[in-house]
Amino acid sequence: QKEVEQNSGPLSVPEGAIASLNCTYSDRGSQSFFWYRQYSGKSPELIMFIYSNGDKEDGRFTAQLNKASQYVSLLIRDSQPSDSATYLCAVTPIYGNKLVFGAGTILRVKS
Amino acid sequence: DTGVSQNPRHKITKRGQNVTFRCDPISEHNRLYWYRQTLGQGPEFLTYFQNEAQLEKSRLLSDRFSAERPKGSFSTLEIQRTEQGDSAMYLCASSPPTASSYEQYFGPGTRLTVT
Repeated sequence: QKEVEQNSGPLSVPEGAIASLNCTYSDRGSQSFFWYRQYSGKSPELIMFIYSNGDKEDGRFTAQLNKASQYVSLLIRDSQPSDSATYLCAVTPIYGNKLVFGAGTILRVKS
Repeated sequence: DTGVSQNPRHKITKRGQNVTFRCDPISEHNRLYWYRQTLGQGPEFLTYFQNEAQLEKSRLLSDRFSAERPKGSFSTLEIQRTEQGDSAMYLCASSPPTASSYEQYFGPGTRLTVT
């Protein structure tokens, strides 16, 4: 079992729709949870982080964390073609400072 | 606001050669990380520095890999006797010294191609 699992996609949504990206993790002691956006050929860009159960909103982005289910998600409202990218979920283990990444979900927003 | 910088951005080398990459973190960040990313995968952790101390190394970091951060500022990652399997994007990230803050900010990466 991979430590962090994401559906590879591609996830296709029409412009203006809500995109829902999901991630599960295996280490129940994971402390911090991050979503990065990565455009083709570029490095990951941090877009959201969440440390506590519940929802956290920032502009068009909402991160949701459920530690009991070991599940974290990212909602993108009013999706734009510029949101088309790979979205990487990352967690920090109970010990250590490193990030453990999933393989990413490809999102395509069609105009 | 200067972000993380990495040099070179691209490196093509022949198998068996040594290569060295440099990372300059965000100025007030005392934590520095190296990751490696191959096509279709998420970044994989290689090593972590807090100030000048190397506190964690991945099992991925074979004896051919060495990293330094001599004065707690910039860091270098050296790969000796490169192999074709070393071809990847090498990413550096930094993180602020806040105890409750674990966000990592990535540089543009160095793309290594071993021929």
